Amino acid sequence: GNSVTQMEGPVTLSEEAFLTINCTYTATGYPSLFWYVQYPGEGLQLLLKATKADDKGSNKGFEATYRKETTSFHLEKGSVQVSDSAVYFCALRAGGGNKLTFGTGTQLKVEL
Amino acid sequence: EAGVTQFPSHSVIEKGQTVTLRCDPISGHDNLYWYRRVMGKEIKFLLHFVKESKQDESGMPNNRFLAERTGGTYSTLKVQPAELEDSGVYFCASSQSGTGVNYGYTFGSGTRLTVV
Repeated sequence: GNSVTQMEGPVTLSEEAFLTINCTYTATGYPSLFWYVQYPGEGLQLLLKATKADDKGSNKGFEATYRKETTSFHLEKGSVQVSDSAVYFCALRAGGGNKLTFGTGTQLKVEL
Repeated sequence: EAGVTQFPSHSVIEKGQTVTLRCDPISGHDNLYWYRRVMGKEIKFLLHFVKESKQDESGMPNNRFLAERTGGTYSTLKVQPAELEDSGVYFCASSQSGTGVNYGYTFGSGTRLTVV
């Protein structure tokens, strides 16, 4: 079946540090890949997406590249801010339906 | 426009009791989804409505869970009787007809259910 594995948290960084959150997946066919973010007290928000191999999704300074050869979709940001503190979820959609398969989430805390 | 609204935001009930969660999707969104995150684990799909019809309920854990969407508007998810392992955060999401996760899929802020 489909599955998503992402790095364990929590991750604590100083402001302006470089961020990487690893995500790998197992899926049939060619899935679409997503990163969602949940800020405290809010719902899940789509951060970025990529729908085919070698696509790069980007938003708010975050980037992730769809790597088919390594089945990965790692999230990166060059300089994090305190406001980036949240839980980040990697997810995929495989096949023709609308169902998402999520990872376990990675909590990020950015300190001054 | 108003987002996806879920009620209540928190619920604490005793094992064996009944709880009903409610989701109000964005007005005009035909697709409505329920997901659940249990104890810091992954978020898992429960089911998908298209208007009032259940399109996919493959993720419903057992027959203690009943989801309805009367008139294709708001949806309820009832757990009866609740067990300890039902504790978690229940998310609702909605999207317009003809669109899905690649496009306008909006989540609510979730209902945190604690069964004691």
